[in-house]
Amino acid sequence: NAGVTQTPKFQVLKTGQSMTLQCAQDMNHEYMSWYRQDPGMGLRLIHYSVGAGITDQGEVPNGYNVSRSTTEDFPLRLLSAAPSQTSVYFCASSVRGGPAYEQYFGPGTRLTVT
Amino acid sequence: ILNVEQSPQSLHVQEGDSTNFTCSFPSSNFYALHWYRWETAKSPEALFVMTLNGDEKKKGRISATLNTKEGYSYLYIKGSQPEDSATYLCAFMRGTYKYIFGTGTRLKVLA
Repeated sequence: NAGVTQTPKFQVLKTGQSMTLQCAQDMNHEYMSWYRQDPGMGLRLIHYSVGAGITDQGEVPNGYNVSRSTTEDFPLRLLSAAPSQTSVYFCASSVRGGPAYEQYFGPGTRLTVT
Repeated sequence: ILNVEQSPQSLHVQEGDSTNFTCSFPSSNFYALHWYRWETAKSPEALFVMTLNGDEKKKGRISATLNTKEGYSYLYIKGSQPEDSATYLCAFMRGTYKYIFGTGTRLKVLA
């Protein structure tokens, strides 16, 4: 199993550009989530999904869209990038969304918006 | 906004020392408390999932305890080794699907 994969690893965008961060898992996990990591702050939840076709907002959803058309994929879209979205983005998955299930993290995408 | 606090922020210990860190979280609406180990240039990896007051978990030289009534969890490392150097994160589960992460304790074990 490849686990949780993310592409790209690095990306530089200009303000106003759009892009999609890709996340895929091959473990047949129901729950998937996106976090951002900023200096001095804990991982913050952007959006999550409890299954194909079901998504919901996390703590910091503004400026980001998600969809979940398949169990395997959970892309994160930035519609109009802003410098405040410069961050490291992590995708994670777990078997289910309940409290007893640990999350498996992808390698991260480092995004810089100029 | 609920806060999850970890202390200390960082510490250096000598090889062979035992050490412990604290994770403090809201004592109401508790669902779970997770501990993760995060090595530099890698992804966080789960250490423990704790769901019941009084839970004690152990994995090799690392163990954790949970007190949901007072809102804290301790992580212990016995006989620290250089390979234990990492950031240790705790995550409080608020509601069924949402996690609040602490900022982590950065541990450096000196050989």
